[in-house]
Amino acid sequence: AQKVTQAQTEISVVEKEDVTLDCVYETRDTTYYLFWYKQPPSGELVFLIRRNSFDEQNEISGRYSWNFQKSTSSFNFTITASQVVDSAVYFCALSEWGYSTLTFGKGTMLLVSP
Amino acid sequence: DTAVSQTPKYLVTQMGNDKSIKCEQNLGHDTMYWYKQDSKKFLKIMFSYNNKELIINETVPNRFSPKSPDKAHLNLHINSLELGDSAVYFCASSQDLTGGFSYTIYFGEGSWLTVV
Repeated sequence: AQKVTQAQTEISVVEKEDVTLDCVYETRDTTYYLFWYKQPPSGELVFLIRRNSFDEQNEISGRYSWNFQKSTSSFNFTITASQVVDSAVYFCALSEWGYSTLTFGKGTMLLVSP
Repeated sequence: DTAVSQTPKYLVTQMGNDKSIKCEQNLGHDTMYWYKQDSKKFLKIMFSYNNKELIINETVPNRFSPKSPDKAHLNLHINSLELGDSAVYFCASSQDLTGGFSYTIYFGEGSWLTVV
């Protein structure tokens, strides 16, 4: 069975600091998909990124970047120069080949203070 | 226009009541879901529907009954509400699986259910 572990329950940083949110996953499948979602204080779930297991290239989108390493089963998320608006709970999730549903980690709450 | 919309956003009700949460998506997706987020923020799949057919039911009590009148709607009806049903319920949708390929799931804004 698949599992997603986000060991960091809560992280507090000061604005402009860089922060990395860790995600480690377990799956028996060779083909799978990894996701990150953001849940701001308003409560909605916002899709950030999806990667498939064949694509290990790191991705950068503005201040956000993702590091996917199959060798360590990790899909870490870095926010560069954090801002107060980045304060949210961030979820890592996994779906396996042939399944459309997501298995979520328990989330990491990021608090960015001014 | 909101892609996945749920109503109501907030619902406070007494134990034993029956309530429904409605969900609609305008993304043209074939698959819809209900996820539950508990008080510790843990998110778990409850149901998955594809083209109005139930494909996943994750050992949810049968007091919960999803209904899909068409592929753009997936409503959640809950009978005999219990205190433990208090949670945030998220509706979501995605394109259908294609040869096992999994598409991104887009979520609604959530419905906060409080049972008192």
